[in-house]
Amino acid sequence: SAVISQKPSRDICQRGTSLTIQCQVDSQVTMMFWYRQQPGQSLTLIATANQGSEATYESGFVIDKFPISRPNLTFSTLTVSNMSPEDSSIYLCSVLSGDSYNEQFFGPGTRLTVL
Amino acid sequence: AQTVTQSQPEMSVQEAETVTLSCTYDTSESDYYLFWYKQPPSRQMILVIRQEAYKQQNATENRFSVNFQKAAKSFSLKISDSQLGDAAMYFCAYGRGSRLTFGEGTQLTVNP
Repeated sequence: SAVISQKPSRDICQRGTSLTIQCQVDSQVTMMFWYRQQPGQSLTLIATANQGSEATYESGFVIDKFPISRPNLTFSTLTVSNMSPEDSSIYLCSVLSGDSYNEQFFGPGTRLTVL
Repeated sequence: AQTVTQSQPEMSVQEAETVTLSCTYDTSESDYYLFWYKQPPSRQMILVIRQEAYKQQNATENRFSVNFQKAAKSFSLKISDSQLGDAAMYFCAYGRGSRLTFGEGTQLTVNP
């Protein structure tokens, strides 16, 4: 399994500002994913990030609000732009395992609070 | 679109006892994977167990086992000899290709 770290682990931000979340993996992976987990709810996929191509966004999520970078096979960033209190959530990155089981391994998450 | 339903928002179990968490899903596909993830208060999503749809044999990982009923589209998780460290939110997930679809979760409390 991959070891995944995220920075920051938590942050409190003001309305209208932006925050960039970093996701670092200890091995090269093709596919990385960004999820949002709103308080008390399940995980919702924001986008899939492949190295060397534009991220693929899910319905309800747009690049202007959640720009993603994927500069290499071990790193990705998610920016939450022009934040509002509704963006207060846990943001998790994950990677697809290298075996045939299609399982995903998750980072520890970033808890974002927007005031 | 695939949907995953966990009908038990909360469950509780006495330490050392057995508990079963329910999950149903909806799909028209025949080839897919099913997973149970655990999320303790630390927020870390931890894979508990996985099942390949083409396998009839139920997966087992130590104290964790599943009851996979493909025709009924049911995928329950049984935790035997429950421990205090099992207390967490448990998510059932359907996987096909690279996509995961999660259920709403079941909060498990383990009482000493």
